[in-house]
Amino acid sequence: AQKITQTQPGMFVQEKEAVTLDCTYDTSDPSYGLFWYKQPSSGEMIFLIYQGSYDQQNATEGRYSLNFQKARKSANLVISASQLGDSAMYFCAMRERYSGGGADGLTFGKGTHLIIQP
Amino acid sequence: EAGVAQSPRYKIIEKRQSVAFWCNPISGHATLYWYQQILGQGPKLLIQFQNNGVVDDSQLPKDRFSAERLKGVDSTLKIQPAKLEDSAVYLCASSSPSRLVMNTEAFFGQGTRLTVV
Repeated sequence: AQKITQTQPGMFVQEKEAVTLDCTYDTSDPSYGLFWYKQPSSGEMIFLIYQGSYDQQNATEGRYSLNFQKARKSANLVISASQLGDSAMYFCAMRERYSGGGADGLTFGKGTHLIIQP
Repeated sequence: EAGVAQSPRYKIIEKRQSVAFWCNPISGHATLYWYQQILGQGPKLLIQFQNNGVVDDSQLPKDRFSAERLKGVDSTLKIQPAKLEDSAVYLCASSSPSRLVMNTEAFFGQGTRLTVV
């Protein structure tokens, strides 16, 4: 089974509108962390926001917020007031505590290609 | 602070040839990762180093892929012999803690785009 599912391959959004990118995850580990990364056409992965499984409040970082619904195993990224520079691939990723042996690499979803239109 | 450096940025080789990628992580980062990103997919972890030791290589195709991190700093990923399906972007990332910290951010390089023809 997919550990991270992103169901929106692509999205078109008007500039200045808010956008929600969906992410659902699957784990039996009670301790895990969820990440969102942005990948512009230049290729590097840029960290946006983090949510821990035990965090009581939804994470926020500037225009980025995370709508964390633990019971539904979803961690949707919300970008407020979108800008042209937000056009990029967006990846949801998870780190599980009990991968074993100190392994802590991220498991990524397939991503959503977001295009902001003027 | 300087970011994660990777070279080359692009490489085109014929199938059955060998290729090597180099990564210089952020200074002081104990953990180094190599990811493979096939077009249209998210990155997949190939190998994780803690200093110069391997902590996870469960998804590394060991019949053709190898990686090393001498002296716990730079790392090299090699493919020999390459197959068509190895065409992908190879991303190197590093992070600071020497033990698992859940919210640790991984810093990524710009990647090496490999095309096997």
